[in-house]
Amino acid sequence: AQSVTQPDIHITVSEGASLELRCNYSYGATPYLFWYVQSPGQGLQLLLKYFSGDTLVQGIKGFEAEFKRSQSSFNLRKPSVHWSDAAEYFCAAVNQAGTALIFGKGTTLSVSS
Amino acid sequence: DVKVTQSSRYLVKRTGEKVFLECVQDMDHENMFWYRQDPGLGLRLIYFSYDVKMKEKGDIPEGYSVSREKKERFSLILESASTNQTSMYLCASSFPGVGSPLHFGNGTRLTVT
Repeated sequence: AQSVTQPDIHITVSEGASLELRCNYSYGATPYLFWYVQSPGQGLQLLLKYFSGDTLVQGIKGFEAEFKRSQSSFNLRKPSVHWSDAAEYFCAAVNQAGTALIFGKGTTLSVSS
Repeated sequence: DVKVTQSSRYLVKRTGEKVFLECVQDMDHENMFWYRQDPGLGLRLIYFSYDVKMKEKGDIPEGYSVSREKKERFSLILESASTNQTSMYLCASSFPGVGSPLHFGNGTRLTVT
C-alpha cells in the first residue's frame, strides 16, 4: 500500500541553526508531494508542493524541499530556524487514485534558544 | 483568502449520541474532505466528496457517514458516538485536479465520554 514515512517523531533545533526534516514515500510513478505545517491549535497550512520539473522547490516562510527520486525522498530544509517555526510538520502525497492526500505521521519541531 | 470554517472548536458528547460536525467553505471548491488527527498517527482520511450529494469512503469510514446537500457545506456524522472516536477532526477543501492543495479548517476537538 502507498505510504508516506516521516522517520523523526520529534526534533529539537537551536534558534539560528539549520533544519532538515525527512520524508520518504512509496509510490511507483512521479508523485505529487506536499509539506504542511500545523501551529498549535491551528489547521494545516501549505508550505510548498512538488509536481514535476525543478527538483528543488521553494516555499513560504523561507522553507525549501528537494525531491530525490533515487531515494524516494522529499526532505524539507530551512537554513536558519526561528522560534516561530516550532510546530508540527506533515509530509503528504497524492494517493495512487489521484483522489486525496496521504499524510505522514508528522514531525514535531521544537526550537531552543 | 480561502476560509474553511468548522462550526465547533470543542465538543463533548456522550457515548451513543448522534454527533454532527459541520464544515463550510467560501471559495466555491468542488472537493471537500474529512480527516481525523490522532497523536502518533498523523491525519487519516475518513470521507471525501467531489460534488453535491456525492461521497466516497476514505481509509477509515467505519462508524461515520457524511452529507453534502450544498456545495459549500460538508457534514460529518457519527451515528452512535464511541469513546474511540475521541479525536481532532479536520475539514479541508480544494479545487478539482490532482495535486490541488488542500485548505484546512482549524479543527474540532471531539471528546466522547
